[in-house]
Amino acid sequence: TQLLEQSPQFLSIQEGENLTVYCNSSSVFSSLQWYRQEPGEGPVLLVTVVTGGEVKKLKRLTFQFGDARKDSSLHITAAQPGDTGLYLCAGARAGGGADGLTFGKGTHLIIQP
Amino acid sequence: DAGVIQSPRHEVTEMGQEVTLRCKPISGHDYLFWYRQTMMRGLELLIYFNNNVPIDDSGMPEDRFSAKMPNASFSTLKIQPSEPRDSAVYFCASSLIELGGGVYGAQYFGPGTRLLVL
Repeated sequence: TQLLEQSPQFLSIQEGENLTVYCNSSSVFSSLQWYRQEPGEGPVLLVTVVTGGEVKKLKRLTFQFGDARKDSSLHITAAQPGDTGLYLCAGARAGGGADGLTFGKGTHLIIQP
Repeated sequence: DAGVIQSPRHEVTEMGQEVTLRCKPISGHDYLFWYRQTMMRGLELLIYFNNNVPIDDSGMPEDRFSAKMPNASFSTLKIQPSEPRDSAVYFCASSLIELGGGVYGAQYFGPGTRLLVL
């Protein structure tokens, strides 16, 4: 059983459209991170959210941490081909230590020109 | 800083051969992680080190896998003997991890080693 469930697993949309991807769990996290991985490279951190209900914006990307700190969403406005990649969420469970970090399987996003 | 360095970038080997993957973490980072990524299973944590000491190797699939970190600037992941099911992308990542208050620092990933075992 995956501790962090990401949905959808695959998403292909046209340039200019909006989209939202989700990261859900039954566990409470002290913080949650979103990474983007481009083909042939390692994941790169986009954002860390810490407080329940927190919203962070990174240009056209909006990240939200659920009030109960069990879920998160990533919304992209006016998607561009450069947004193509694998989006991974990683949760840090309460208790600290590196063993509290768990990655979801990711959402494969393709933005078609 | 050059970031996390991994070598080789690609490795093709035959079943039964020994494979050694290498990693140089970012200077000053005290955590080092080895991951394996496949389409079926996603990104799986194999083992991690804190200050060169292995902390949790519960993700290592079997005794054929071993990892060492002889000093703060170098780590290896060895597979002996290799099998076709070991084919995957292996990532090394380093981090400062807990910044305090349950907030974790970013994990910085290397470019990965793409392993194909025939």
